[in-house]
Amino acid sequence: GESVGLHLPTLSVQEGDNSIINCAYSNSASDYFIWYKQESGKGPQFIIDIRSNMDKRQGQRVTVLLNKTVKHLSLQIAATQPGDSAVYFCAENMGWGGGFKTIFGAGTRLFVKA
Amino acid sequence: DGGITQSPKYLFRKEGQNVTLSCEQNLNHDAMYWYRQDPGQGLRLIYYSQIVNDFQKGDIAEGYSVSREKKESFPLTVTSAQKNPTAFYLCASNAGTSNQPQHFGDGTRLSIL
Repeated sequence: GESVGLHLPTLSVQEGDNSIINCAYSNSASDYFIWYKQESGKGPQFIIDIRSNMDKRQGQRVTVLLNKTVKHLSLQIAATQPGDSAVYFCAENMGWGGGFKTIFGAGTRLFVKA
Repeated sequence: DGGITQSPKYLFRKEGQNVTLSCEQNLNHDAMYWYRQDPGQGLRLIYYSQIVNDFQKGDIAEGYSVSREKKESFPLTVTSAQKNPTAFYLCASNAGTSNQPQHFGDGTRLSIL
């Protein structure tokens, strides 16, 4: 597979447990946040997003929490499965030069033990 | 079905050679992006295009060039001026608004011979 994320923080969880992946974002003016999942040798896949006027959003087995006070974003995965093993990274959109800019975190590698 | 197609999946470059990475999308998206991904780092923006026949430099444009002659296509050329081209290159697209996620292709792995 690809050598993406060789030196990333790692989270190891047992199959069936819940996973929590954290992200500290950089800009208090950022107004839109996204979580992506990237499997080895593949491009990032969209998981869930949240706008800055919300503090929680739920999808299928995933929940994103936004704490604007401390500029923190988390992704919760319920009943983690082996297929959830991947690198997860957050992204934030901020105003920039009359448009916007997306800043990506380096990611966290999730290992799911069967 | 709709998506972004990058080709080739693996590419090798000789010293002094320019190589071109292909990116095609059938999502009818206005905006397209090229990123470079290195181990342990977040994606870094090389170039982006908000509309046909227009493109802007990103954070690490030196040694790269692009064109946007068609809405569907946004090829990236890695020139010989790029001294450290070995990386995973990702193309993305979206509607071009600030509250839409980007959709990514499956990348091209570029290595030096």
